[in-house]
Amino acid sequence: DAMVIQNPRYQVTQFGKPVTLSCSQTLNHNVMYWYQQKSSQAPKLLFHYYDKDFNNEADTPDNFQSRRPNTSFCFLDIRSPGLGDAAMYLCATSRDGDTQYFGPGTRLTVL
Amino acid sequence: AQSVTQPDIHITVSEGASLELRCNYSYGATPYLFWYVQSPGQGLQLLLKYFSGDTLVQGIKGFEAEFKRSQSSFNLRKPSVHWSDAAEYFCAAVDGVPNSGYALNFGKGTSLLVTP
Repeated sequence: DAMVIQNPRYQVTQFGKPVTLSCSQTLNHNVMYWYQQKSSQAPKLLFHYYDKDFNNEADTPDNFQSRRPNTSFCFLDIRSPGLGDAAMYLCATSRDGDTQYFGPGTRLTVL
Repeated sequence: AQSVTQPDIHITVSEGASLELRCNYSYGATPYLFWYVQSPGQGLQLLLKYFSGDTLVQGIKGFEAEFKRSQSSFNLRKPSVHWSDAAEYFCAAVDGVPNSGYALNFGKGTSLLVTP
């Protein structure tokens, strides 16, 4: 089945230690998104790639970066994680901004 | 400002009872509308969507939603709830601007508890 895959499902890192989260998709969608979801809150868009074009949300901290080396893969880099960055990180994809399909998420813990 | 409102933070229903989750939107023009469900520790699963046309939309798992332009609402319904329906439900909207990333604007979610 076509799907959105996120690895790892659970990630533990230390305060200030860089971490990379991975997303891959077999849907061949041209748009990929990263959302941050804190406990008991709605997901919040961090940024998205429309094809190769990177679009950052205005209030996304500089600590968060993203890479999309090809259509299928997208990475979320957190350069210096703080305690406030502990959250579920959700990857989603869409075709030309149509319906978004989400992966299972990566739960990030910062010690 | 564009917004999506889910007035009920928590809802409790008995198994087998009917369910209605409320969603209201505030947009200049009718947005695209979605309902997603999230089980604990999981990603979001699309239940149904409304872009245009028939205002009663059928989704997966026996859910349906009705778009009412006059009330700016897109309420989710299910005639008979199962214990497995216990989850967090998010209503979301997208401003259909062509060639954009269509960022989803989520409501705060409604937590559904199903009792025996």
